[in-house]
Amino acid sequence: SQTIHQWPATLVQPVGSPLSLECTVEGTSNPNLYWYRQAAGRGLQLLFYSVGIGQISSEVPQNLSASRPQDRQFILSSKKLLLSDSGFYLCAWRTGGSYEQYFGPGTRLTVT
Amino acid sequence: AQSVTQLGSHVSVSEGALVLLRCNYSSSVPPYLFWYVQYPNQGLQLLLKYTSAATLVKGINGFEAEFKKSETSFHLTKPSAHMSDAAEYFCAVSNTGGFKTIFGAGTRLFVKA
Repeated sequence: SQTIHQWPATLVQPVGSPLSLECTVEGTSNPNLYWYRQAAGRGLQLLFYSVGIGQISSEVPQNLSASRPQDRQFILSSKKLLLSDSGFYLCAWRTGGSYEQYFGPGTRLTVT
Repeated sequence: AQSVTQLGSHVSVSEGALVLLRCNYSSSVPPYLFWYVQYPNQGLQLLLKYTSAATLVKGINGFEAEFKKSETSFHLTKPSAHMSDAAEYFCAVSNTGGFKTIFGAGTRLFVKA
C-alpha cells in the first residue's frame, strides 16, 4: 500500500532563516506531487505541483521554491522566511490515472 | 474555470441528528468531485469520490453524497451524527486531463451532546 511521509511535524523558525520541508511517497511510481499551505482558519492554497522529476509548476510567486530530485521526493524551500509563511504545510500525491489526492500528515510552521 | 462553493463555514448539529453539508461546483466539463475530512493538526482524508458512475456515492464513516448535475451540487450527508464526526470538511473538484484539484473553503462541523 502507499504511504506518504512529511517531516518535520512541527517547526519554529525566526524571520529571515532558511526552510526545508521534505515529503516522500512510498508504494507508487511516478506520482503527481503537490504542496499546499493552510493559513490559520483558512482553506488550502496550492503552492506547487510536479508531474515528474525536475518538473515544477508554481502557483504562487512568493519566496518559496520546490524541487523534485527523485521520483517520490518533493522538497519545499525558502532562503529567507517571512512572518506570513507561517501555516500548516501539506504534501499530497495522486497517480496519473486517477484524480483523488492523498495527503500527508502535515508540517506546522511557525515563523517568529 | 472550475470553482467550488461550500455554503456555511460552520454547521452545528446535535448528536444523532442529520448532517448536511452543502457544496456547489462550477465546471465546463464533466467533473470529478470529492469530499475530504480534516481533524485538527492532521492531513486531509478522502471521504468519498464521484467519478461519473453512480450519482449516489457512499463513503467511509457512514457518509454519502449525491451528484445532481441539474443543480451543480454535491451535498454530503450522514443520517445520524456522532461526536467523532466533529471536524472540517472540504469539497473539491477536478476534471479530466487536469493536474489540479480545486478545494472549497471548508465547513467546520460541530456536534453537540
